[in-house]
Amino acid sequence: GAGVSQSPSNKVTEKGKDVELRCDPISGHTALYWYRQSLGQGLEFLIYFQGNSAPDKSGLPSDRFSAERTGGSVSTLTIQRTQQEDSAVYLCASSLARFGGVNGYTFGSGTRLTVV
Amino acid sequence: DQQVKQNSPSLSVQEGRISILNCDYTNSMFDYFLWYKKYPAEGPTFLISISSIKDKNEDGRFTVFLNKSAKHLSLHIVPSQPGDSAVYFCAALEGGSQGNLIFGKGTKLSVKP
Repeated sequence: GAGVSQSPSNKVTEKGKDVELRCDPISGHTALYWYRQSLGQGLEFLIYFQGNSAPDKSGLPSDRFSAERTGGSVSTLTIQRTQQEDSAVYLCASSLARFGGVNGYTFGSGTRLTVV
Repeated sequence: DQQVKQNSPSLSVQEGRISILNCDYTNSMFDYFLWYKKYPAEGPTFLISISSIKDKNEDGRFTVFLNKSAKHLSLHIVPSQPGDSAVYFCAALEGGSQGNLIFGKGTKLSVKP
């Protein structure tokens, strides 16, 4: 696609439920990243995928968080047993290669997750 | 501990004047810096970048200055326009990197007509 597409744009869920967030990167971009922005905070790195390599999961805050990328394209971020502190905007980005060169990453519009 | 710090959460400037957004970093291994701009309900968009081998990079109304000895960079917008009102994020990358972009908390710029 022309840009990075994320769905849903907004999600309200009850505490303890599981949620899935989807990211469709720019076609041909081999690198895909998930970040999140909590209220008043910067962008916090969560996980990175590059081609068929094992993902860099070093930013995932707990084992309730997982992500996969199927066929080197679409990615799904799953949060199990959601907690109120998981409320944030979850941003996906993609790039041609890691870091993305002088233009950095291209971000999607994000999914605003609210856990009530 | 934050490696990239934007100590001013907000800045208000009159249209036509200069906006100066500041960013400090602690990791001396960072060798590439970027500024992103974010409007509400949209993802961040790349604005301008600078390599550590330079001290200035200019693109139209936007100029980024890097002071490596002070571990400080700044984004200048001249002249400021109401459409520049957004949150600006500073980001940094470690050299030879297997790391990821590290972002600051952002500064909300308001340009008043």
